[in-house]
Amino acid sequence: DIVMTQSPDSLAVSLGERATINCKSSQSVLSSSNNKNYLAWYQKKPGQPPKLLIYWASTRESGVPDRFSGSGSGTDFTLTISSLQAEDVAVYYCQQYYSTLPAFGQGTKVEIK
Amino acid sequence: EVQLVESGGGLVQPGGSLRLSCAVSGLTFSNYWMSWVRQAPGKGLEWVANIKQDGSEKYYVDSVKGRFSISRDNAKNFLYLQMNSLRAEDTAVYYCAKTPWWGQGTLVTVSS
Repeated sequence: DIVMTQSPDSLAVSLGERATINCKSSQSVLSSSNNKNYLAWYQKKPGQPPKLLIYWASTRESGVPDRFSGSGSGTDFTLTISSLQAEDVAVYYCQQYYSTLPAFGQGTKVEIK
Repeated sequence: EVQLVESGGGLVQPGGSLRLSCAVSGLTFSNYWMSWVRQAPGKGLEWVANIKQDGSEKYYVDSVKGRFSISRDNAKNFLYLQMNSLRAEDTAVYYCAKTPWWGQGTLVTVSS
């Protein structure tokens, strides 16, 4: 099974500043057949279902603000919020969908400093 | 508009059973793998099970293997999760999902 590990567990960032979340998979999620990373990022707010932000590690879902970006390949990935807004307070999860047993990271809680 | 609507949650005693349902509309249900994902109170997201388009392949997280069973009815556009031998640690909000679409979730509480 592929295990996903995020860091940090929480971070506090000032409004307008950058927030960076890291995600590491226990094995590569890069497919050699299509050269795509099977890695997604979700935003989760209380009382709401998860919202897909990024898929294929760096493709922004339709309607997601461009301050959200994803990068990385293989086993190491990053979600960046370039200029934190109040509405971005949430828990963020990475998820691999490379294997038939998808798995989430433990989550990173983002707060306003 | 794609909609996923879960039902069937509630309070059940340890060792009991529940069957969750998910009504799917707005997409060609039979074309997609479908999943159940849960979130226990104060915990993170946990993928529970998924099922192939025709139901021929099913996968489960280790903690529910042998107790939970995922199934689907492509004629009715429904996804199901049969949960048996429920434990306190199964208490969670259960979501039906086909990324990027998610239901609102249904709460399952296992308690005496």
